[in-house]
Amino acid sequence: QKEVEQNSGPLSVPEGAIASLNCTYSDRGSQSFFWYRQYSGKSPELIMSIYSNGDKEDGRFTAQLNKASQYVSLLIRDSQPSDSATYLCAVNLTGNQFYFGTGTSLTVIP
Amino acid sequence: ETGVTQTPRHLVMGMTNKKSLKCEQHLGHNAMYWYKQSAKKPLELMFVYNFKEQTENNSVPSRFSPECPNSSHLFLHLHTLQPEDSALYLCASSQAPGTSHEQYFGPGTRLTVT
Repeated sequence: QKEVEQNSGPLSVPEGAIASLNCTYSDRGSQSFFWYRQYSGKSPELIMSIYSNGDKEDGRFTAQLNKASQYVSLLIRDSQPSDSATYLCAVNLTGNQFYFGTGTSLTVIP
Repeated sequence: ETGVTQTPRHLVMGMTNKKSLKCEQHLGHNAMYWYKQSAKKPLELMFVYNFKEQTENNSVPSRFSPECPNSSHLFLHLHTLQPEDSALYLCASSQAPGTSHEQYFGPGTRLTVT
């Protein structure tokens, strides 16, 4: 069983639309949750972190966490072509043990 | 720039060579990590150091040998690698455990084993 699962996509949305990216995780003891953006040929870049149930907003990005359902999502409002990238979900269990999903490829169509 | 640098950016080595990857962080963090990223696979955590002490070794073959002389520098020594070890090797850093676990990644070293 994979620790972190994401739909690999590709997900295509028109410019200006809302992109919704989803992630599920298997370990109920997971404590911290992160979204990273990775452009082709580049390293992952931290976008959002979320630690408690509910929504967390930062500009056009909103992270949502539901620990009961073991589900974390990322919403991107007013999607731009520059948002086209692979989005990685990461989960921290205890200490320094991190698990990443395989990523969801997002394409924003102008 | 995230404050984490890695050298070299690209490396081609034969199976009998010995090489080292270097990582340096300028963020004042106390934890450093090595990850392996292969195509179509999730990032794999290889090693973790907290305050220079290794705390995680996720069943990594002994042909990969980490070294952390201080909280700002991390090395990955490579010897007798296999072609399947070709991948992007990423270094990351974060604050000490118990605080924020936000990790910041370096640009990576693209390794090709021939």
